[in-house]
Amino acid sequence: GQNIDQPTEMTATEGAIVQINCTYQTSGFNGLFWYQQHAGEAPTFLSYNVLDGLEEKGRFSSFLSRSKGYSYLLLKELQMKDSASYLCACYFDRGSTLGRLYFGRGTQLTVWP
Amino acid sequence: EPEVTQTPSHQVTQMGQEVILRCVPISNHLYFYWYRQILGQKVEFLVSFYNNEISEKSEIFDDQFSVERPDGSNFTLKIRSTKLEDSAMYFCASSERLRGVYTQYFGPGTRLTVL
Repeated sequence: GQNIDQPTEMTATEGAIVQINCTYQTSGFNGLFWYQQHAGEAPTFLSYNVLDGLEEKGRFSSFLSRSKGYSYLLLKELQMKDSASYLCACYFDRGSTLGRLYFGRGTQLTVWP
Repeated sequence: EPEVTQTPSHQVTQMGQEVILRCVPISNHLYFYWYRQILGQKVEFLVSFYNNEISEKSEIFDDQFSVERPDGSNFTLKIRSTKLEDSAMYFCASSERLRGVYTQYFGPGTRLTVL
């Protein structure tokens, strides 16, 4: 539900920069999370955006444009261990009381040496 | 660093059997969730829980599912009569409410296989 879209797969080389995009329905939007998920493991929290702009956290940054229904996760100085699925997840305030998250299908990033 | 834990890591059961999946949320968190992820598909919300009550449940969370916080530390998901399509990874998550935001931290998951 909520039409959260992100590319299925991306590849990049070690040391490079990669940008993973996410689009969502703007109606009722109330915040966006990025999670990293290695195969067979739990999603781990990376970032949260609710206001327009860029949030930087070390090698990872996340950007949000509420009016465009668009976010991206920027990964710099890629390392082999960054190979994982990156999940975009949104809050919508339509009757949701405790921050139910709606997830996209995830973007599988492969980092090559 | 505090983390959410889940047991068992794998559970294999026969169709029609009951299963209980267990979770220990982060100790100062008050909000608890179950999600599931069928292989190759997206993570889907099942239920949220606060103050010993279900706060919200999805259309997946039908009468076969129930949740409980039997004591001060455990949070359980019971599936009364499992179906083949219940095979999935089940993730527990917990959060606190900080400046209006429920940042959810996920456990390692229980892989449920229904035969």
